[in-house]
Amino acid sequence: DIVMTQSPESLAVSLGERATMTCKSSRTVSYSSSNQTFLAWYQQKPGQPPKLLISWASARGSEVPARFSGSGSGTDFTLTISSLQAEDVAVYYCQQYYDTPVTFGQGTKVEIK
Amino acid sequence: QAQLVQSGPEVKKPGASVKVACKASGLPFNAYGFNWLRQAPGQGLEWMGWISAYNGITFSAQKFRDRVTMSTDTSTATAFMELRSLGFDDTAMYFCAKGESSGRGHYFGTWGQGTLIAVSS
Repeated sequence: DIVMTQSPESLAVSLGERATMTCKSSRTVSYSSSNQTFLAWYQQKPGQPPKLLISWASARGSEVPARFSGSGSGTDFTLTISSLQAEDVAVYYCQQYYDTPVTFGQGTKVEIK
Repeated sequence: QAQLVQSGPEVKKPGASVKVACKASGLPFNAYGFNWLRQAPGQGLEWMGWISAYNGITFSAQKFRDRVTMSTDTSTATAFMELRSLGFDDTAMYFCAKGESSGRGHYFGTWGQGTLIAVSS
């Protein structure tokens, strides 16, 4: 199975500041021949199901604010919140769908400093 | 818009079985695969398996292969997941999610609200 490792476990950022978190896969989740990267990011708030933010490593989901951006390829990925808002307090998960079983990172908890 | 509505919470005894329903609306049911995932209290997300609503093909994670059955009822646009031989460590929120991507794995754009299954003696 592909192991996904997120860091940090938690992150405290001031309102309006940038929040950056990383995700590393134990082997590549990109197909070089098709230039596709099978990596998604989700936001989960307490008592709610996860919400898709980013697919294909960098494609923002519909109605996802532009302050969320994803980057990376191969085994190293980043999710950035450019200007943290109060409603962004949540746990963020990365997920690979390159292979089955699909697997998730353990999550990064984002809080307000 | 696409919506998935799951059945209600259940309490089960160890060794029992549970069947969770996931009713879809606002989408062409037969065109998608439906995945099942779970999240133990305070823990991360774990993928259990997937069923194609088009042809009924299933694929489950090795961990669950012996005791999970996934099915669909196209007449009611509902997917089902049955988990047998429940243990205390099966206590979790169970989610259905519509699969996106035609590759080996899916990402999940639409989720059900979750069904809490508690295993208690």
